[in-house]
Amino acid sequence: KNQVEQSPQSLIILEGKNCTLQCNYTVSPFSNLRWYKQDTGRGPVSLTIMTFSENTKSNGRYTATLDADTKQSSLHITASQLSDSASYICVVSAAGGSSNTGKLIFGQGTTLQVKP
Amino acid sequence: KAGVTQTPRYLIKTRGQQVTLSCSPISGHRSVSWYQQTPGQGLQFLFEYFSETQRNKGNFPGRFSGRQFSNSRSEMNVSTLELGDSALYLCASSRAGVRYEQYFGPGTRLTVT
Repeated sequence: KNQVEQSPQSLIILEGKNCTLQCNYTVSPFSNLRWYKQDTGRGPVSLTIMTFSENTKSNGRYTATLDADTKQSSLHITASQLSDSASYICVVSAAGGSSNTGKLIFGQGTTLQVKP
Repeated sequence: KAGVTQTPRYLIKTRGQQVTLSCSPISGHRSVSWYQQTPGQGLQFLFEYFSETQRNKGNFPGRFSGRQFSNSRSEMNVSTLELGDSALYLCASSRAGVRYEQYFGPGTRLTVT
C-alpha cells in the first residue's frame, strides 16, 4: 500500500533554532517527492521537488534530502523565523501508466510553531 | 504571472443544498486537480482534469463531480451537501499533470450547517 508518514506530528521551537522534519514513504513506482509549506487558511506552497537521482535540494533556509534506498526524506530549516510557523506536507508522486498521469500520496503534515 | 485563483473564498451552505466552486489555473497550465482538506483526514485527492477530460479520480462518492472548460478553467460541484463536506477545497494547476510541480490556489472554505 502506498503510504507517506511524517514525524513529528507537531513541533515547537524557539526563533533562531534549527529543526528537521522527517518523511518516510512506501510508494512504488516512485516519481518524485515534494515538500510544501502551508500557512493556516491558505493553499500549500512548494518548497522543493526532488527526483530519484537528487539527494539534496535547497530553497533559501530550507534544505531537503532524499535517500531513495531507505525511502526517507527530511526537511531541515535553518535559523528559524516566526514566519516559518506553518504546516509542512510531504507529498510523493507515484508514476502512472502514461508519462503525465500518476497519483500523489500526501503525508498528514507536521505542524511547526516558532516562538519568540 | 497570475497565480491560481479560486472563487468564492468562503461559503456557508445548508445540508441538502448543492454548491459549485470555481478554479482558474495559471495561464498555460492544462491540468487542474481538486483536493479536500480537513483537520482529521489531511489533503485528499478528488479528481484531476486535463484538456477537458477527467484523467484521475479519488475515492469520493458520486455527489462530487467536476468539469473543465476549453480555457482550462474548472468547476467542482457537490450535491446533497452533508455536514462532513465542511472542508477547505483546494485547486492546483500544473503544466501537464500531477507528476509535474503543482501550484495551489488559496482554497474555498466550505461550511455546511
